[in-house]
Amino acid sequence: LAKTTQPISMDSYEGQEVNITCSHNNIATNDYITWYQQFPSQGPRFIIQGYKTKVTNEVASLFIPADRKSSTLSLPRVSLSDTAVYYCLVGDGGNYGGSQGNLIFGKGTKLSVKP
Amino acid sequence: KAGVTQTPRYLIKTRGQQVTLSCSPISGHRSVSWYQQTPGQGLQFLFEYFSETQRNKGNFPGRFSGRQFSNSRSEMNVSTLELGDSALYLCASSLEAPTGENYGYTFGSGTRLTVV
Repeated sequence: LAKTTQPISMDSYEGQEVNITCSHNNIATNDYITWYQQFPSQGPRFIIQGYKTKVTNEVASLFIPADRKSSTLSLPRVSLSDTAVYYCLVGDGGNYGGSQGNLIFGKGTKLSVKP
Repeated sequence: KAGVTQTPRYLIKTRGQQVTLSCSPISGHRSVSWYQQTPGQGLQFLFEYFSETQRNKGNFPGRFSGRQFSNSRSEMNVSTLELGDSALYLCASSLEAPTGENYGYTFGSGTRLTVV
């Protein structure tokens, strides 16, 4: 499975756009990129998944360049409630980051949104 | 629809004791996986059950075990507790197609275990 590297922490202010970049230099051809969000004392929650170019849903956008060695999660106009840890997962086809239950989480990026 | 339910939410145990944690998946989900989360090691995969069979296993000692019942509810057991077992234990359920394609993981809020 491809290893991922993310910034340990990021700070932002309410109303700003936040971009979190994840590096995955050894991504395989059939690997997808999946992002999860986790609030304190809760389980991770799926945000978005993509394979290439751009994916957008009601929560976020995911940008993946042509070489797929990195990806950027974009959160538009963040609020205080977006303060959380964000994890980038790579691998296992389209199975939301893992098959047979095995999701490989890295250290994640702790996003702090200030008023 | 009801989410993934984990009980109890908090638990305090003494070293050497054993503990059983419970997870009720979303109705219709037959896959249940368990994770341990600690500040130092992050989220680590323990094992996964599908239709009452352990299908996948992480790198944890044999003190950590689990099972799944015919209604897909799952329990995990930790025997001879150590201080280092203090963690947030999370379970996730998922719906899986006959082809093995996964339709996404839904996590519970976890059980916070403190070993003293």
